[in-house]
Amino acid sequence: GQQVMQIPQYQHVQEGEDFTTYCNSSTTLSNIQWYKQRPGGHPVFLIQLVKSGEVKKQKRLTFQFGEAKKNSSLHITATQTTDVGTYFCGTSNTGKLIFGQGTTLQVKP
Amino acid sequence: ETGVTQSPTHLIKTRGQQVTLRCSSQSGHNTVSWYQQALGQGPQFIFQYYREEENGRGNFPPRFSGLQFPNYSSELNVNALELDDSALYLCASSLEGGLYQETQYFGPGTRLLVL
Repeated sequence: GQQVMQIPQYQHVQEGEDFTTYCNSSTTLSNIQWYKQRPGGHPVFLIQLVKSGEVKKQKRLTFQFGEAKKNSSLHITATQTTDVGTYFCGTSNTGKLIFGQGTTLQVKP
Repeated sequence: ETGVTQSPTHLIKTRGQQVTLRCSSQSGHNTVSWYQQALGQGPQFIFQYYREEENGRGNFPPRFSGLQFPNYSSELNVNALELDDSALYLCASSLEGGLYQETQYFGPGTRLLVL
């Protein structure tokens, strides 16, 4: 079945440094969604990308969908301690969300 | 807040017991999906209910079953609990069975511990 692989699994950064997580699939994706899960919390929807080469920004977060629609990235500029959590990519297939393994971000103040 | 509620928030059971978890979907949403999230893992799709019918199932055994009621709230039942069933159980509500790739809104989850 469809799978999405996410790297890295963990990332520790100093506050103010940038952070990027990558999501890859061997098959073409109809869409990619990104979620953030704070420690002890539940996944919170951040954004959905559906078009080839699409780039969307939310303040310090930049989301990209690859031209071939097989990969995506989330980039955070100048991380803050509030960015701590696990970031998941996922793809929706007839309502079933398939998640990557997540990237856990730790930010040192 | 998503408007999706789940109960109970925490639960401790022993092996072999049965458990029922509940979810109330966001107002106006007719679809509820259930996910299991083991510690350190991404959520895994269990099944989805759309207008009271099962609308897709993940790779979970039949002892995982569900219901959706006319008000679109839902239950997840797990029989013959095993230690590996310990996880965070998440429900997510959306519109129209995900046919149009709508956003799914997650509830806070139920943390189940099986001893």
